Amino acid sequence: DVVMTQSPLSLPVTLGQPASISCRSSQSLVNSNGNTYLNWFQQRPGQSPRRLIYKVSNRDSGVPDRFSGSGSGTDFTLEISRVEAEDVGVYYCMQGTHWPGTFGQGTKLEIK
Amino acid sequence: QLQLQESGPGLVKPSETLSLTCTVSGGSISSSGYYWGWVRQPPGKRLEWIGSIYYSGSTYYIPSLKSRLTISADTSKNQYSLKLSSVTAADTAVYYCARDQGNFEIDYWGQGTPVIVSS
Repeated sequence: DVVMTQSPLSLPVTLGQPASISCRSSQSLVNSNGNTYLNWFQQRPGQSPRRLIYKVSNRDSGVPDRFSGSGSGTDFTLEISRVEAEDVGVYYCMQGTHWPGTFGQGTKLEIK
Repeated sequence: QLQLQESGPGLVKPSETLSLTCTVSGGSISSSGYYWGWVRQPPGKRLEWIGSIYYSGSTYYIPSLKSRLTISADTSKNQYSLKLSSVTAADTAVYYCARDQGNFEIDYWGQGTPVIVSS
């Protein structure tokens, strides 16, 4: 299975400051159809995961534009331009290019 | 708005069968192109996709659980179910049902239900 490795695992951020989470895969995530199936999920305390980003950089409906995704091949990044209190939670990357889909360990974002 | 809701016992004895149901509202599990899956998260561990059923009825399971896992659907009730046999403490987890658009593009999740395997 493809191993997804996130860093950092813990991310203390000051309100209004930017935040960045890295996700690396053990294999290239470029599919034979040319797409790269890399998702980012947010899990707020006590809630189920919610998808923020799909196919590396596409924001889901209703996701604030302070969230952005980038990357290619094996290296991907989720960036939050200005962290707000509601962004507290755990963030997961997940690849869907190789069967079965696999998740990163999660990055816990907290407010300093 | 599509909604998924898991139901089932929160406590299962070792060696018995874990049974969960996901009830879908706001959409049909027979809708073309979607996979209806299960994801679990053991305490302190990462999320793990364990299996799914395609709208056509085809099923997919991770190899490590293939001998113990069965996913089925009841289209008349708009529900799908998970049965995991011969459970051990390692199967203790929060279980989520989720909709997959294909290529594991999971766009909807249930609230999750905790299951503890203990005597």
